[in-house]
Amino acid sequence: GENVEQHPSTLSVQEGDSAVIKCTYSDSASNYFPWYKQELGKGPQLIIDIRSNVGEKKDQRIAVTLNKTAKHFSLHITETQPEDSAVYFCAAQDPGTYKYIFGTGTRLKVLA
Amino acid sequence: NAGVMQNPRHLVRRRGQEARLRCSPMKGHSHVYWYRQLPEEGLKFMVYLQKENIIDESGMPKERFSAEFPKEGPSILRIQQVVRGDSAAYFCASSPGGAYQPQHFGDGTRLSIL
Repeated sequence: GENVEQHPSTLSVQEGDSAVIKCTYSDSASNYFPWYKQELGKGPQLIIDIRSNVGEKKDQRIAVTLNKTAKHFSLHITETQPEDSAVYFCAAQDPGTYKYIFGTGTRLKVLA
Repeated sequence: NAGVMQNPRHLVRRRGQEARLRCSPMKGHSHVYWYRQLPEEGLKFMVYLQKENIIDESGMPKERFSAEFPKEGPSILRIQQVVRGDSAAYFCASSPGGAYQPQHFGDGTRLSIL
């Protein structure tokens, strides 16, 4: 079955700098990749997603890139702000099913 | 603008008791998913249901765990004879179904077993 790895597990950046979180997946048939932000005591909140027929997608300060050949996708946050501090999860939709396989999460700290 | 509603938010049970977790999907969503999250870990898929049907229960333990999504009312995740290892956050998500439809999550039920 599908397996998703996520790096780094923790990331500290200065306010205004960029943050990059990387994920790899194992099943080349996977075709949908959402990213979630989880704040303390809350559920995961969808922040951006990408389909396998697209190489990049951007929404204001957030962008996601997908390299199907290498089977990896990345989240890019520019001009980070303290409110970006949270745990971020990547996921891949398991091919042939609707279930998501999640990475282990990245704890992002934006230092003021 | 009601999102996915889960209750209770916190649930404490003693070993051997039963736990019932409820999930009301977003309006217009007929697909429900349950995930479990252990501290400092990612979410693990448990079960996927549509109204009155279990579609995929490959992530749910065969014993003590069951799930339902009746024609009327919320989806229920039921854990019988709870053990300490069942302590976790349980999240429900919903979607309208179909390819490329993102799952939207509730704020979870934190289950603690004494």
